[in-house]
Amino acid sequence: DVKVTQSSRYLVKRTGEKVFLECVQDMDHENMFWYRQDPGLGLRLIYFSYDVKMKEKGDIPEGYSVSREKKERFSLILESASTNQTSMYLCASSPGTSGGRKTQYFGPGTRLLVL
Amino acid sequence: AQKVTQAQTEISVVEKEDVTLDCVYETRDTTYYLFWYKQPPSGELVFLIRRNSFDEQNEISGRYSWNFQKSTSSFNFTITASQVVDSAVYFCALSEYNFNKFYFGSGTKLNVKP
Repeated sequence: DVKVTQSSRYLVKRTGEKVFLECVQDMDHENMFWYRQDPGLGLRLIYFSYDVKMKEKGDIPEGYSVSREKKERFSLILESASTNQTSMYLCASSPGTSGGRKTQYFGPGTRLLVL
Repeated sequence: AQKVTQAQTEISVVEKEDVTLDCVYETRDTTYYLFWYKQPPSGELVFLIRRNSFDEQNEISGRYSWNFQKSTSSFNFTITASQVVDSAVYFCALSEYNFNKFYFGSGTKLNVKP
């Protein structure tokens, strides 16, 4: 079974702190994604990566950066956390077009509260 | 631009009722994929089904069925004889041909009462 894990289920940070959210997948997937989920807005793509060291902005990249140094790991960084970044963060991975089941696999999510 | 609309924000039914969740999409691509995911209270999205744009056959899996109609750009999901365990948020999504980007609807929260 594909497994996507996220470093924390719940996180509380203060405004201005630097926050790291880690995501690891164990199925050698090319693509990895970071979304945030807010009530009434569904899932909004922050960044995605289709290869190591490659990244592309999604729909709402402002205030975020990402890092993918290894294929299995995709990190989301909030350089200076703000209260409007309080949200549920979901990581996902997918095999791309080269093979494997053509869908995204999601981690359990991280609920971030910025005070 | 790609867009997925789930007009039903929340639906409540009594157990054993049938319920249909609506999904309408917009895309200019000729090759694309449509998905449904379930998000139970635990939070993790679970894949339910994928359909490619060339396959308009309806699909049935147990109590679940999906109706894909390109003429109306819709991909609706029906649960027959609903159960309390079906209570969740359901998301419809659209992806480009290379699966690099996914576009999600805002979700429909289904409450199934005993």
